[in-house]
Amino acid sequence: GQQLNQSPQSMFIQEGEDVSMNCTSSSIFNTWLWYKQDPGEGPVLLIALYKAGELTSNGRLTAQFGITRKDSFLNISASIPSDVGIYFCAGLSSNTGKLIFGQGTTLQVKP
Amino acid sequence: NAGVTQTPKFQVLKTGQSMTLQCAQDMNHNSMYWYRQDPGMGLRLIYYSASEGTTDKGEVPNGYNVSRLNKREFSLRLESAAPSQTSVYFCASSESTTGTATNEKLFFGSGTQLSVL
Repeated sequence: GQQLNQSPQSMFIQEGEDVSMNCTSSSIFNTWLWYKQDPGEGPVLLIALYKAGELTSNGRLTAQFGITRKDSFLNISASIPSDVGIYFCAGLSSNTGKLIFGQGTTLQVKP
Repeated sequence: NAGVTQTPKFQVLKTGQSMTLQCAQDMNHNSMYWYRQDPGMGLRLIYYSASEGTTDKGEVPNGYNVSRLNKREFSLRLESAAPSQTSVYFCASSESTTGTATNEKLFFGSGTQLSVL
């Protein structure tokens, strides 16, 4: 079946550093979503992207819908301890109309 | 604002026992979903309901049944629990109605951690 490859699997960074993560696939997607999951909670939507090339920001977070429609990127600038959590990408398949989740990127921030 | 409410928060079962996970949303959403989350595998769709009275299988439906009791409530039942069903279960809802974009902008509950011994 369709898969999303999310990388890196985990990151351990110093407070104040910038963070980048991405999701790639061999399939084309119509929508890209980025979620954050805090420990013990459900995922919460951060950013939604609907057009190839679209660049959208939400505070210190910036996400881009890849030109090929097969990938997406999330950047976090000037990380703070509350950025800790698991970040998931999700793509809405143009073939099946189904939402597929990446495996998640676990972020840890050292104060 | 309650959003999506799941119960229970934690549950331990013995192999072969049955149980029902409850989910309710107060956002008047049309679609509701059940996912399971396992380490390194992200979120996998078990079942979903695009509207009241309809349910459909997701990626991993075996061993589960669902009921869309009304527009607000969507329950997940394990008839005979197995250790492979040890996981964290999330209920979610979205505004989407039946159609091509059935799964975008999901709002998740806080999860049920289930252990099957």
